[in-house]
Amino acid sequence: EAGVTQSPTHLIKTRGQQATLRCSPISGHTSVYWYQQALGLGLQFLLWYDEGEERNRGNFPPRFSGRQFPNYSSELNVNALELEDSALYLCASSLGGDSRPYEQYFGPGTRLTVT
Amino acid sequence: DAKTTQPNSMESNEEEPVHLPCNHSTISGTDYIHWYRQLPSQGPEYVIHGLTSNVNNRMASLAIAEDRKSSTLILHRATLRDAAVYYCILLRPPGNTGFQKLVFGTGTRLLVSP
Repeated sequence: EAGVTQSPTHLIKTRGQQATLRCSPISGHTSVYWYQQALGLGLQFLLWYDEGEERNRGNFPPRFSGRQFPNYSSELNVNALELEDSALYLCASSLGGDSRPYEQYFGPGTRLTVT
Repeated sequence: DAKTTQPNSMESNEEEPVHLPCNHSTISGTDYIHWYRQLPSQGPEYVIHGLTSNVNNRMASLAIAEDRKSSTLILHRATLRDAAVYYCILLRPPGNTGFQKLVFGTGTRLLVSP
């Protein structure tokens, strides 16, 4: 069974540009999560999508946005890039539903470098 | 988010069992206990989870105290590949005003010697 996939692996942008990161969840998973891991820091929760809707977002400015498509894949967009946006962006997926918190499976990440 | 407390680091020898403790004295009745680990230069990896009863899977065992205020992740035979930072996280069902976000504390860095 294929795991969570993310593209691109690496992305280099200049300050002020926009970045688009993509994630494909495990087949059958309807929830997608985005996390940011800056160098030497822990994971910071960005966004959670389930069944095409944004369910929760972390403490990030509005220039971080995303969406989930009908096939449950997801896109993270970062506008007006700043140097401090340089980080590893991780996508995770899980089963959906409200009955219990489901385990999350992570992709390999996209390394975003802003120069 | 309910708080968990873990030792900063632990050491083990290869092929020996490892018991990683976690204290969560403020756990609520609907909180699930999840364990993840992060190997160097990799994303987090789900290990195991439980609610009240002890759990076993192919990776590890989870022993939960009767009062649920603590739990222990058990690796039955440590390998070099098990060297990682292990995180104990409490999660609530989304439908119970819980959010499905993982909040990683400092975790326990497990060192495994050959």
